[in-house]
Formats: sequence, structure tokens, C-alpha cells
Amino acid sequence: EVQLVESGGGLVKPGGSLRLSCAASGFTFSDAWMSWARQAPGKGLEWVGRIKSEAEGGTTYYAPPVKGRFTISRDESKNTLYLQLNSLKTEDTAVYFCTREGVGRTFDIWGQGTMVSVSS
Amino acid sequence: DIQMTQSPSSVSASVGDTVTITCRASQGISSWLAWYQQKPGMAPKLLIYATSKLQSGVPSRFSGSGSGTDFILTIRSLQPEDFATYSCQQANSFPYTFGQGTKLEIK
Repeated sequence: EVQLVESGGGLVKPGGSLRLSCAASGFTFSDAWMSWARQAPGKGLEWVGRIKSEAEGGTTYYAPPVKGRFTISRDESKNTLYLQLNSLKTEDTAVYFCTREGVGRTFDIWGQGTMVSVSS
Repeated sequence: DIQMTQSPSSVSASVGDTVTITCRASQGISSWLAWYQQKPGMAPKLLIYATSKLQSGVPSRFSGSGSGTDFILTIRSLQPEDFATYSCQQANSFPYTFGQGTKLEIK
């Protein structure tokens, strides 16, 4: 079964850090370009960033609101994607989704999401 | 950044109706447009990519059209399971951006 399972969310104070993980199964993770997206409570979806496969250099791209604060990485030996969140702000409060970039630069597999709450 | 604007923000319809949702990009995105369905508390589900290509397993009552800046999602013969929020996404350039969503409610 094709699956993405996120973990690591929680409550953190402004300025704090958190690392999210996403375990992939059921497809060839090493070939996949992976992204993180988020959704603030009651709001629309927001793309956070993407990482290419290691074979293609593992290049990363980030949305402007998170560039310089968030870092995407991957461990292909563990079939796991990571999102390191630093210098967190209250506006980073959201459900964070791990997703695979498929045909047409779209997101064809999604995890169930993990909630990150930033509050003092 | 390319802004994606959906209309309407919400729409009420009955089972069996046909509904259209519009997505407008702030600049041309060729055919790099996808549509997603999302139900409360769930992850989004890809319905259509490249403007009009149906994702595997998606019923044929869903269809997409458009090009450039204006795109349409059409749902024919609405079924009870279709009541959800629909979002468009441009994949023409970084950062990828989504519309704000259109909530399809039961009349």
C-alpha cells in the first residue's frame, strides 16, 4: 500500500524549533521528488518546499515565507523525508502534509498531516 | 508569486446537479493547473492534473478545462460523496500556489 505517515508535530513557543518526519512506503522513495505543504486552521493550502531525489542532486526549493528558516532533507536508507522548522512564528501554526510530486508537477500522494502549533 | 483566485468561495447544490468552479491565475500558467478535493480532517486528493487529465481512479463526472489564466472544474451529476472543498494549484513556476478553496455544500 502506498503510504506517507507524518510525525513530530506539537506545541512550540515562538522562536522555537521542531523536526517533522514523513515515512514513505509502497513506492520507490529514492526516485521521488517530495514536498511539504501546510494548511493553517480554516485556511487554504500552502506549498512549503520541495526536494528532488538524491540521484538528481537533492536540490531544494522553498516558499518565500519559510526560506532561511525551514530545511527539507531526506534519508533514502530509511525512506524518510524531514522538515526542520526553526525560528518558528505564530503564523507557522498549521497542519503540515508530506506529499509526493507526481505527473504534471502535482501532488498525487499525501500523508494524513501533523499539527504544529506555535504559541506562547 | 502567481496568485490563484477561485470563484465562488462556496456553492450550494443538490445531488444530480452540475457544478462549475473557476480558477484564475494572476499570470499565464499554460496548462500547469491541478484540482484537488479535500474533506474535513482529511488530506487533499488529486483529481485532475495538466488542466484536463483525470487522475487514475477519479470518476469521469469530474472534468477540467481552460488554459493560460482561466480554468474550470466541472462536476456533473453530483453524488453525496462529492460535497467537499475544491482547490486549484498552479505548477507553472515556483513557488507553487493554491487557490483559497471552494466549499461545495448540499442544498
